[in-house]
Amino acid sequence: GAGVSQSPSNKVTEKGKDVELRCDPISGHTALYWYRQSLGQGLEFLIYFQGNSAPDKSGLPSDRFSAERTGGSVSTLTIQRTQQEDSAVYLCASSFSGRNSPLHFGNGTRLTVT
Amino acid sequence: QKEVEQNSGPLSVPEGAIASLNCTYSDRGSQSFFWYRQYSGKSPELIMFIYSNGDKEDGRFTAQLNKASQYVSLLIRDSQPSDSATYLCAVQNTGTASKLTFGTGTRLQVTL
Repeated sequence: GAGVSQSPSNKVTEKGKDVELRCDPISGHTALYWYRQSLGQGLEFLIYFQGNSAPDKSGLPSDRFSAERTGGSVSTLTIQRTQQEDSAVYLCASSFSGRNSPLHFGNGTRLTVT
Repeated sequence: QKEVEQNSGPLSVPEGAIASLNCTYSDRGSQSFFWYRQYSGKSPELIMFIYSNGDKEDGRFTAQLNKASQYVSLLIRDSQPSDSATYLCAVQNTGTASKLTFGTGTRLQVTL
């Protein structure tokens, strides 16, 4: 596709349930990033992929959060046993190479944990 | 000290004026600098990037970088109401990591 695609656009889940968020990056982009943005807050880095490997996962807030990327393309962010503080917009971005290369963001997934 | 600092604003400028947005960063090894615009409820969109000291112009936008002072700015000439948004500064130290570290943004209001 022409841009970064994320699904679902909105997700409402009950506390304690698991959720999966999907990101399809721009074709040919080797680097993929996950950020999250809470209401009125800045962007919080979660994890960075180069190809299928994740050299930087320092931003994952707890072991309830995990992510994978397959085929150097699609990535899935999984949150287990969701908590209310997980409510945020989860943004995926991709870049051509990951270094000296701008990030292009998807439209995000708005996660609400009730 | 935050890694990337921006004045949260709001910065209010009249239509047609120059808006000046400023950003300072703490990591002296930062090499790449980006400005993003974010409308309320939308995702960030890239405006400009700059890697070298000095000025870089693109249409109504000029990015200015001073690595010695650890300072990067964005000038918007002939400001329009459609420029009203939050502007995010982001920096990257490609020597140690590939993540972009974002400031919390400056809200710009262009008034009629």
